[in-house]
This record gives sequence, structure tokens and C-alpha cells, in this order.
Amino acid sequence: DAGVIQSPRHEVTEMGQEVTLRCKPISGHDYLFWYRQTMMRGLELLIYFNNNVPIDDSGMPEDRFSAKMPNASFSTLKIQPSEPRDSAVYFCASSRTAPGANVLTFGAGSRLTVL
Amino acid sequence: ILNVEQSPQSLHVQEGDSTIFTCSFPSSNFYALHWYRWETAKSPEALFVMTLNGDEKKKGRISATLNTKEGYSYLYIKGSQPEDSATYLCALSGGSYIPTFGRGTSLIVHP
Repeated sequence: DAGVIQSPRHEVTEMGQEVTLRCKPISGHDYLFWYRQTMMRGLELLIYFNNNVPIDDSGMPEDRFSAKMPNASFSTLKIQPSEPRDSAVYFCASSRTAPGANVLTFGAGSRLTVL
Repeated sequence: ILNVEQSPQSLHVQEGDSTIFTCSFPSSNFYALHWYRWETAKSPEALFVMTLNGDEKKKGRISATLNTKEGYSYLYIKGSQPEDSATYLCALSGGSYIPTFGRGTSLIVHP
């Protein structure tokens, strides 16, 4: 298996532009997570899906952020409009059922810079 | 929100030294404790998952213990090597089963 695949690896954009980050989880994993890593907050959970259904989006910072999972093999995290404070590394991770005991497999991350 | 505390925040040691990191968490509502290793410019990789009080896990020179009654876990590295330099994260799964991560301990091993 190729692991969790994220794209793009790096994105530099200007304030106000729309940003779309993409994730392909490991086949057979039914949980998908979006995390954001910043110096101030460390690794924080934004949203997670179970069987393509969003379960908890309480970590999404504001309405400018949205996430979808149209099928078991694809998810997007969208920021519209983007702001400089959104600059961070965004990680996608997936796991099999019962994530409390099963480990998360992370993607390589998408580094976003908003100018 | 589960409060997961890790200490120390950072650690510099010489090659060959042994190290110990601490992860503290609320002992109620516990389901599992995870340790991850996160190298610079890479993604976090799982080291251990522990669910039972008294659990001990070992992988090479790295080992971990778990005390769910008092709410802590220790991660040990015996004879640190420069390639052990990384951030070590612990994560707690409570009733929702979703891991909440600590801020990590950054380890730098000097040759």
C-alpha cells in the first residue's frame, strides 16, 4: 500500500484565495482525520470522518474551513478565503475501526503558506 | 477536551545517554495511549499503542510503560543515537476513541 497520500505537498497563495488540500486514505481504513500543526497549538484535530460521514467538526476554526469526503478513497479540506494565519502544515491520517486502539497512519502533510 | 501533558518540552543529550519522557493524562475516561515518533520534515509514525494498566512495550532500544490509575506513561530510550533525534508525541484516546495529542518532547542527540 502506498500509504496516506496528500497533495499538494507545498502551496503558497495570496490572502483571499481559495485553497484545496487533498487526501487519499489507505484502502480499507474507515476513519479519516484532518489535523493542523502550528507552533502555537501543536497538532490539533480539525475534523474526522467515519465511513465517509463527518462525525466531529468542532475543531474546524471557522466557516472559512470546510471538508468533504465524497467516497472512501478521497477527502478534501478547503479554505475560502484563505488568511495568513491559516499558514500551517495540514496532515491527513487514516485508521481502521476502533481508532482508540488502532494506530493512525499519517500522510506526508501539506505545507500551506498564505501571504 | 482531554488534557495531555508531555515533559520535558525539549531535551538535548549526548550519544549513548539514556532518556525518559513523561506523558500525563486524566486517568478517568481512558481507552488507549499512543506514542508516535515524528522526525523533522516527515509525518508522525506510530511506535506503541497501550490499553491496559501496567502495559509495557518495547521496540529495539525504545520502550514504554503505562499507568492508567495515576494517569501517566513513560517512554525510555536506552543508549540514544543521533538517529533518535525527533519529536516524540503521545496521544490519548478517551470515550470518543479519537486521539488527542500532546505537544510533544523534542529530542536532539549530539554525536
